[in-house]
Amino acid sequence: AQSVTQLDSQVPVFEEAPVELRCNYSSSVSVYLFWYVQYPNQGLQLLLKYLSGSTLVESINGFEAEFNKSQTSFHLRKPSVHISDTAEYFCATGFQKLVFGTGTRLLVSP
Amino acid sequence: DTGVSQNPRHKITKRGQNVTFRCDPISEHNRLYWYRQTLGQGPEFLTYFQNEAQLEKSRLLSDRFSAERPKGSFSTLEIQRTEQGDSAMYLCASSPNTGTLNTEAFFGQGTRLTVV
Repeated sequence: AQSVTQLDSQVPVFEEAPVELRCNYSSSVSVYLFWYVQYPNQGLQLLLKYLSGSTLVESINGFEAEFNKSQTSFHLRKPSVHISDTAEYFCATGFQKLVFGTGTRLLVSP
Repeated sequence: DTGVSQNPRHKITKRGQNVTFRCDPISEHNRLYWYRQTLGQGPEFLTYFQNEAQLEKSRLLSDRFSAERPKGSFSTLEIQRTEQGDSAMYLCASSPNTGTLNTEAFFGQGTRLTVV
């Protein structure tokens, strides 16, 4: 069965600091990995995805994630966060349906 | 607005009552999914449709839950004899059918159900 684990329920950081949100996956089949973001009172939005090819994937707002097969990880990183990045971030895997982690709340303070 | 639309956004109901939620997917998206999200948890898969065919149902979907997508466009999720444990955010998502690969699911804002 496919699953993802997000080890951190909450990550507090200061504005302009780097951040890493951790995600580890478990899968016995081809791996497709996603990061979704959920801003307060909004729906889930796809941030980035890994399907195949380059192991480093980037989003339009400065986030990136690297697929690491040996460590079964897909950590999300950003070199400098903004206040507006405060949100809940979900790692997910899936082929025909998505299996989500429990989420990591990123809290960016001035 | 061409995104996934869910109605109502909020629903408060008494225990034992029936409720029905509606989801309008993005036009021409063949696949439609229902998920449930409780506080502090990630969304959990409930069921999905390929056009009008319901292809998979989670064990989370008890006999009190039923979902339909009669014409392959909008979908409804009905909960009969609601229980307090049904209180959650119900999310709908749609995606284009690219073979069997779910390349991206677009989510609606959800319907928040509170059972009192």
